[in-house]
Amino acid sequence: RKEVEQDPGPFNVPEGATVAFNCTYSNSASQSFFWYRQDCRKEPKLLMSVYSSGNEDGRFTAQLNRASQYISLLIRDSKLSDSATYLCVVSQDQTGANNLFFGTGTRLTVIP
Amino acid sequence: DTEVTQTPKHLVMGMTNKKSLKCEQHMGHRAMYWYKQKAKKPPELMFVYSYEKLSINESVPSRFSPECPNSSLLNLHLHALQPEDSALYLCASTLQPVANYGYTFGSGTRLTVV
Repeated sequence: RKEVEQDPGPFNVPEGATVAFNCTYSNSASQSFFWYRQDCRKEPKLLMSVYSSGNEDGRFTAQLNRASQYISLLIRDSKLSDSATYLCVVSQDQTGANNLFFGTGTRLTVIP
Repeated sequence: DTEVTQTPKHLVMGMTNKKSLKCEQHMGHRAMYWYKQKAKKPPELMFVYSYEKLSINESVPSRFSPECPNSSLLNLHLHALQPEDSALYLCASTLQPVANYGYTFGSGTRLTVV
C-alpha cells in the first residue's frame, strides 16, 4: 500500500471555479502534512502546511483529519495561474531525520 | 538568502563518465536531501544528511555516491550510470532534521545518460 494516495486527475475547471483535492495517508504516526505545487519541469514549491485546526491562505484552504488520515485542499475562484500539479506530502521521523512521502500529484488545468 | 542552489541545471553524460552534482544553501538548514524524479512521477528519496552525517540511504545503487563536505554543501557523485538513471535530481533542505518544517527544493539538475 502506498504511503500517500491522491486522485491523479486531471482536473479541468473553468476560471472562477472552486476545486477540491483529497489525499489519504497510511501511517498514523505521520507528523506533518503539506501541499506542494509543481509546475511543469520545475521543482516542487511549498504551497502550505496543513494543520488539524484547518488553515487558510487567501483562496486556498487546507484541512487535516487525523482520525480518518485524510488531507484536503480547496481552491476558490480558480485562476489560470493555478494550473499545476498539486502534491500531497506527509512527513515521518525516520532514524533521526524526517522523510517526506509524496503522493503522485493531482494535475489541475484552469481553462479560460 | 532563501534559496537552494543546484548546479549544473542540465547534464548529459556517457555511461563511462564520472560527474558530480552540487547543491548549496546558506539558510542554516541542518538537514539536506537528494531526491530523484522521473517524468510524471513524484520525487523519490535517495539520501538524507542530518548535521552533515548520512542518516538515511534508501537502497540507492553504489554508482550514486553522496558527500556532505560542510553544513552548506551537498554533492552527488555519479559514476557508470545507466540510461534509466536519466531523471531530474532535486536537492532539498530543511531547518532541523526532526522538526516539522516545510522543505525548500532547489530547481534541480536534469540529467540525461547516453
